[in-house]
Formats: sequence, C-alpha cells, structure tokens
Amino acid sequence: GAGVSQSPSNKVTEKGKDVELRCDPISGHTALYWYRQSLGQGLEFLIYFQGNSAPDKSGLPSDRFSAERTGGSVSTLTIQRTQQEDSAVYLCASRLHDSYEQYFGPGTRLTVT
Amino acid sequence: AQSVAQPEDQVNVAEGNPLTVKCTYSVSGNPYLFWYVQYPNRGLQFLLKYITGDNLVKGSYGFEAEFNKSQTSFHLKKPSALVSDSALYFCAVSPRENAGNMLTFGGGTRLMVKP
Repeated sequence: GAGVSQSPSNKVTEKGKDVELRCDPISGHTALYWYRQSLGQGLEFLIYFQGNSAPDKSGLPSDRFSAERTGGSVSTLTIQRTQQEDSAVYLCASRLHDSYEQYFGPGTRLTVT
Repeated sequence: AQSVAQPEDQVNVAEGNPLTVKCTYSVSGNPYLFWYVQYPNRGLQFLLKYITGDNLVKGSYGFEAEFNKSQTSFHLKKPSALVSDSALYFCAVSPRENAGNMLTFGGGTRLMVKP
C-alpha cells in the first residue's frame, strides 16, 4: 500500500519567509510524528499527534514552529520567519495505534538562504 | 532523559563477512528498541524492533539484533554482508512508559560494504 508521503520534496526559501511542509500519513495510522534531521543536531523529535488528543509539542525548538493535523489525517508543519539554522530535512512518520514501529516519509529538504 | 550512543561513525566490512553495528542506550526502565536504515536521499526504513521476549530479534534483509539488558546494548548484526547493505544505520529508543513512543535516535553509523 501507499507509504507516508511528504511535499514538497525540496524547498528553498529566503530568511524571514514562512514555509509550510505537508505530510500524508499511511491510511489508518492514528499517530503522526515530525522529526528534523540536520548535520549538527542529528535526528530530533519535534511534535506528536495521536488521534484527537492535544499534540505533544515538547520537541519544537521555538515558537516559530507550529503544526496542525486536520481530520486526523494530513498534517502541516509551519515555520514562521525562517532562519538559516532551520535548514534541515524534515521527516514525517506515522504509526498504527496498536503497533510500535514508525514508518517514515521521504522527507522535505528545507534550505534557508 | 534518554540517550542513544552509536560509537562508530563508520564501519567498513568486506562483502560476505559478518557485520556488527554497535548501539548502547541510557533510559530509565526497560525501553523499546529499534533499528532503522537510511539510503541516500530517502527516508528511514524500519529494520527491526525489540519489545519484549526473546533477546535476539530478527528483522528485514537478514539483519538481527541482540538486546543485552546488563550492558544496555542493542547491536545490529548480519552474518554475511552485501554491497547493497551500504547505508546509514540509526539505533533508536523509546521509553516503555512514554505512551507517545517518540523516538530518541543515535547519531548514526555509516556502513560501507566493499566488494
């Protein structure tokens, strides 16, 4: 079946602009995660959604980062007033409710110039 | 707070030889443990997990890993390496008590298998 999809695959933006990154999880997966992969910080957790519960935002690095998940499916990660240190690959993952492993999308490579 | 260490940035092995990629962790209680593989310009692919039960777990592509509670390790192994196994490997941990199962990753180990 279809895996996790993310768009765009690449995004180049100027410092100070806002960007939106999209994630389509695997159908039926109730848990959705955003992670960031960068050279300096490795792979780090950003935010977690489970069903209709309030998201766990404990990994968001600043208040410029926000995310929402509409209808329990598609999620959008928004970065406002982008900075050069936001340059990274943003990975989305989803998980079936009664399973343990997460399935990752191909990522969005964000470059802030 | 939990942490994961992958002490080797790179592991080199000849095709056909056994391979080991090391992982140790620090977490309170008994964790869930995972290995993921990343090929160039791709996302992470799930390889295997340890949840409970037998300490030796088998996963995709002939990989296996052994959970060692006393040494807090979860090394990835394969009896006979293939050139196509060359990739970046990540060990990850999730505390059993964390209902969200957010993953903490190690820094990654690049595996190079030479013909």
